[in-house]
Amino acid sequence: QKEVEQDPGPLSVPEGAIVSLNCTYSNSAFQYFMWYRQYSRKGPELLMYTYSSGNKEDGRFTAQVDKSSKYISLFIRDSQPSDSATYLCATTDSWGKLQFGAGTQVVVTP
Amino acid sequence: DGGITQSPKYLFRKEGQNVTLSCEQNLNHDAMYWYRQDPGQGLRLIYYSQIVNDFQKGDIAEGYSVSREKKESFPLTVTSAQKNPTAFYLCASSEPGEAETQYFGPGTRLLVL
Repeated sequence: QKEVEQDPGPLSVPEGAIVSLNCTYSNSAFQYFMWYRQYSRKGPELLMYTYSSGNKEDGRFTAQVDKSSKYISLFIRDSQPSDSATYLCATTDSWGKLQFGAGTQVVVTP
Repeated sequence: DGGITQSPKYLFRKEGQNVTLSCEQNLNHDAMYWYRQDPGQGLRLIYYSQIVNDFQKGDIAEGYSVSREKKESFPLTVTSAQKNPTAFYLCASSEPGEAETQYFGPGTRLLVL
């Protein structure tokens, strides 16, 4: 069993809709929770990271962590075609090493 | 303009050949990392280095080697012992102890001829 599970998609939404992405993780010792955006054939770009349970907002992006259920989410409001990418969730273990989900491909159609 | 550069963008390897992927950063970060990404899979850690002249194996180090002679450089060699080297290779860097804010390079795609 992978330590971080993520549905690979693809997830297709119309422009302007809310994109909802989520991951589950298995180890309660995981400390930080990150979301990366990766365009095709490019390196991942860090969108947001959070340490505690709760919500963190940055513009159109909201990250949510529920440590009690080991569940992390990313919401993208007012989605744009430029949001079409693969979104990777990641956590840090107690050694500070990143554990990644497989990534969810998002397609925003005009 | 700070960042991470990786070269080449594409690399072709023949059977039995060792190849070296370059990673350079001017972010003044002490920690550097190498990941491998396969289709439909997340990134997997190959090697990491927290400081010059020191590096540690990650989860899939077999068939790879690294060196860290300079703070800004962390080259990865894919040896002939790596039987399935076709993948997208990503280099990253961060401040030590701040793995949650790793910055990634643009990647090198390695293909086997």
